Amino acid sequence: DAGVIQSPRHEVTEMGQEVTLRCKPISGHNSLFWYRQTMMRGLELLIYFNNNVPIDDSGMPEDRFSAKMPNASFSTLKIQPSEPRDSAVYFCASSLREANTGELFFGEGSRLTVL
Amino acid sequence: AQSVTQLDSQVPVFEEAPVELRCNYSSSVSVYLFWYVQYPNQGLQLLLKYLSGSTLVKGINGFEAEFNKSQTSFHLRKPSVHISDTAEYFCAAIQYGGYNKLIFGAGTRLAVHP
Repeated sequence: DAGVIQSPRHEVTEMGQEVTLRCKPISGHNSLFWYRQTMMRGLELLIYFNNNVPIDDSGMPEDRFSAKMPNASFSTLKIQPSEPRDSAVYFCASSLREANTGELFFGEGSRLTVL
Repeated sequence: AQSVTQLDSQVPVFEEAPVELRCNYSSSVSVYLFWYVQYPNQGLQLLLKYLSGSTLVKGINGFEAEFNKSQTSFHLRKPSVHISDTAEYFCAAIQYGGYNKLIFGAGTRLAVHP
């Protein structure tokens, strides 16, 4: 079975440009998470979806960030406009059960560099 | 508030030596505990978990961890490490019941030298 698939793996863009990161969770998983990883702040949960509905978006940094999950097999994280401080590795993870089990399956990440 | 502290940011060790990576958590309620491993340029993988039952938990690749409620610790151990164990290790905790965030520690970089 394929794991969580993220694209692109690497993205280099200039400040002010729109960035869209994509995620395909494991088939049958009903929970999806977007995390951001930086050296300074470690792993931060940005947003959590359950059954395609956003449950907790308290980690989304600001209005420049938005996330959608139009169906059970696809999610996007969009940054508009992007800024250099958004440079990080963004991970998507999915889970078969509710978030309180803690058993997450991670994608390989999308490394974003904003110049 | 819930928090996870990994006491060592880096642990250098020689191949075939034993290793312990330390993790302490703070929570006013019961928690599930996890260790995840991240190899270079990859996502995190679940190494082992403590949900209930025996306090000694065995995971993949010969790792094990012991839940100590009185010391609020969940240290990760391996009796003999390999070069391939070089990676970043994350301890994580989540409170029982309902929706609660999985809280990660800052990570410990294990560097195994020949």
